[in-house]
Amino acid sequence: DSGVTQTPKHLITATGQRVTLRCSPRSGDLSVYWYQQSLDQGLQFLIQYYNGEERAKGNILERFSAQQFPDLHSELNLSSLELGDSALYFCASSVVEYREVPGELFFGEGSRLTVL
Amino acid sequence: DAKTTQPPSMDCAEGRAANLPCNHSTISGNEYVYWYRQIHSQGPQYIIHGLKNNETNEMASLIITEDRKSSTLILPHATLRDTAVYYCIVSSPRAGNNRKLIWGLGTSLAVNP
Repeated sequence: DSGVTQTPKHLITATGQRVTLRCSPRSGDLSVYWYQQSLDQGLQFLIQYYNGEERAKGNILERFSAQQFPDLHSELNLSSLELGDSALYFCASSVVEYREVPGELFFGEGSRLTVL
Repeated sequence: DAKTTQPPSMDCAEGRAANLPCNHSTISGNEYVYWYRQIHSQGPQYIIHGLKNNETNEMASLIITEDRKSSTLILPHATLRDTAVYYCIVSSPRAGNNRKLIWGLGTSLAVNP
């Protein structure tokens, strides 16, 4: 158990719909990362938040948005869903980072989104 | 961030050492080598990381060549539960808290009984 909690574990919806994925980081971790993993693909970095502020952006579509709340949980909003958005969505958290030695990421078990 | 190259798949007999290679010939001086693994669509799990010296922890050993252009992850006594996709990633610490890891397709390790 990594200590990172993601809900829901599974989600089935239709094209054009909107969904929200939720992530609770490990206690004390200020950074939250979102990744997308499509079938037989590597993880694609979407976005990172640190203590409520967006810090880095990856290949996140304009239809997707995220935020991190004062209690440090994060939500990833996916709208106007398309078939190609079907994927595993992982959230990860990390401790406050040291400038010289980066630490490891702790991943949740993911949310599997199926768009029909 | 530097790109890595890993074999797509490997086999290992249970109880034997599993040696997973990774090529990162374009690695720069401040980039670390990380290893993670992902067991059957579960969340990736951190294994080990290093800069230039060899590293060992309770899970594995990381051997980095002197020129840092390649590394090997060693699972000393592989078990069936080590069957997973292993990712080798290089990344540099950035100012502040911006750090994103670039993931390839990894090596699918099958540990056979």
